[in-house]
Amino acid sequence: EAEVAQSPRYKITEKSQAVAFWCDPISGHATLYWYRQILGQGPELLVQFQDESVVDDSQLPKDRFSAERLKGVDSTLKIQPAELGDSAMYLCASSSDRFYEQYFGPGTRLTVT
Amino acid sequence: EDKVVQSPLSLVVHEGDTVTLNCSYEVTNFRSLLWYKQEKKAPTFLFMLTSSGIEKKSGRLSSILDKKELFSILNITATQTGDSAVYLCAVDRGGGSNYKLTFGKGTLLTVNP
Repeated sequence: EAEVAQSPRYKITEKSQAVAFWCDPISGHATLYWYRQILGQGPELLVQFQDESVVDDSQLPKDRFSAERLKGVDSTLKIQPAELGDSAMYLCASSSDRFYEQYFGPGTRLTVT
Repeated sequence: EDKVVQSPLSLVVHEGDTVTLNCSYEVTNFRSLLWYKQEKKAPTFLFMLTSSGIEKKSGRLSSILDKKELFSILNITATQTGDSAVYLCAVDRGGGSNYKLTFGKGTLLTVNP
């Protein structure tokens, strides 16, 4: 069964360092989402791509976060510099025309020390 | 401001019990309500509800939406230890091809043997 791939699964970094997360959606899924989930909270949308275009990044802290999906397939989310408050699970999801079925990847657990 | 509120935040039951999880919402441009199950990994899709009064059912799980009173419930009958998870409610408040999910904080269900 096709799955959304993410790497790394875990990342520990010191504050002020740069970190990057990678996501490979299910093949053929045009829409890709990055979410941040703080412990005890539901996922919060950071950025949404339709193919290679950003359709929503209203909740992305653009002073330190950036996201790209250059060829409309895999995507990278970067944080520079990382802050203590960035510690969270970063989830990637993808969907096809059946939008309601967003398939989530296993997530990247980020700890900033 | 769009809100999705889940209750209770946590629940402990014994195997065989029946549980009801609640989700209320206040969002603009409501399109659908979704339920996800999250164990120690990414959320997995359970149901999507768009119409009031029509029950969705999958095995021991069922869900219904009330668009007049702006809430949904998720029922689990004859609970098993494998049902232990966080159950997330999300509302799609998008328009056209721009799909936006707002998640609640989730209900942590613990099923003891």
